[in-house]
Amino acid sequence: AQTVTQSQPEMSVQEAETVTLSCTYDTSENNYYLFWYKQPPSRQMILVIRQEAYKQQNATENRFSVNFQKAAKSFSLKISDSQLGDTAMYFCAIKAAGNKLTFGGGTRVLVKP
Amino acid sequence: EPEVTQTPSHQVTQMGQEVILRCVPISNHLYFYWYRQILGQKVEFLVSFYNNEISEKSEIFDDQFSVERPDGSNFTLKIRSTKLEDSAMYFCASSESPSVTYGYTFGSGTRLTVV
Repeated sequence: AQTVTQSQPEMSVQEAETVTLSCTYDTSENNYYLFWYKQPPSRQMILVIRQEAYKQQNATENRFSVNFQKAAKSFSLKISDSQLGDTAMYFCAIKAAGNKLTFGGGTRVLVKP
Repeated sequence: EPEVTQTPSHQVTQMGQEVILRCVPISNHLYFYWYRQILGQKVEFLVSFYNNEISEKSEIFDDQFSVERPDGSNFTLKIRSTKLEDSAMYFCASSESPSVTYGYTFGSGTRLTVV
């Protein structure tokens, strides 16, 4: 079974600044994917970024990047140049053996003007 | 970009009533899922479905719940006798393959309110 832990329930950041969200996970599988999903007030689940466990290079999508530390089972998300539209809940998730995603409890990000 | 479509976006139902949530997965996807998110809580897996049968289900997915693909395009979640605690956001998702390398596409969700 997989577990995902997000230790920061809420974070705030000034517009244009950088914020880093932490995520740790546990799995006994060697082959897995890690994801960050964004959930704005509309509550839609939007994929932000994904990381393949066997790739050492950290994934990057525009202003979003991850710091994947496989040995430490850590998968943090950095949001650079924060924008007001980044205000949302952010969920870390893992997909290992089997089909299902296991989510963390989420971190609420508030971007302040 | 292909989308997963869920209807209705919001449904209010009386406790004890049956409710059917509908989803149209992406056309070439073969694997379908339902997830649930109670307000303020994490997203939880309910069930996965492939080749007209359930592949895996969670403890939440008890006898009150059922899924089917009645016509080759829709994928439905039925709750037979709703309870107050079934109030949640329900997300449908689909993928091409169960392989860990394939991601999901989520629908925009159905907000179910049981009164």
